[in-house]
Amino acid sequence: DQQVKQNSPSLSVQEGRISILNCDYTNSMFDYFLWYKKYPAEGPTFLISISSIKDKNEDGRFTVFLNKSAKHLSLHIVPSQPGDSAVYFCAARVGYGNKLVFGAGTILRVKS
Amino acid sequence: NAGVTQTPKFRILKIGQSMTLQCTQDMNHNYMYWYRQDPGMGLKLIYYSVGAGITDKGEVPNGYNVSRSTTEDFPLRLELAAPSQTSVYFCASSYSAPGGNQPQHFGDGTRLSIL
Repeated sequence: DQQVKQNSPSLSVQEGRISILNCDYTNSMFDYFLWYKKYPAEGPTFLISISSIKDKNEDGRFTVFLNKSAKHLSLHIVPSQPGDSAVYFCAARVGYGNKLVFGAGTILRVKS
Repeated sequence: NAGVTQTPKFRILKIGQSMTLQCTQDMNHNYMYWYRQDPGMGLKLIYYSVGAGITDKGEVPNGYNVSRSTTEDFPLRLELAAPSQTSVYFCASSYSAPGGNQPQHFGDGTRLSIL
């Protein structure tokens, strides 16, 4: 039962353009959504989050959008840089819970 | 500042052997977690702890045991290794329940193969 789905296994983008990574979820009890970035042979690192009471959160080049009616969130990276090439995981927390549920990840390749 | 440290980085085990994956953090975090990541899959929660002496099961606890005797350490024990436990294991910690201002900090992982 995949509660958090990242349906695109990979994405390739030209340097300087926008990268859009998508995530769908099924559990309406999720209250926080987080994006993590992972390089090979390293652990995931936190990138940005959004509360379920908001529809947008921005941090530098990274913006996360949340559409609760569609149970969909997306991560926008503008402009994309070669160093952004990594696996991006979407994660969600059940309301006030202690655990995160992770999607399968999307491999982003930014070509220079 | 080391953050979350996992040892070993790599290990090969024979079926039926046992081993302990070590995890220690120096950030005085209350919450600690063990995940496994299989190829092409997301991270699955094995066990977690909200403080010393308190542990609870995650999504995939079968075949594993944990203990939390100190704030810093959260070892993961495999008693009878099986091929299905071949995976990359990540330990993580956070000060409180994961959310917007309390993200989890991850170690670099232990790659475990059971042959």
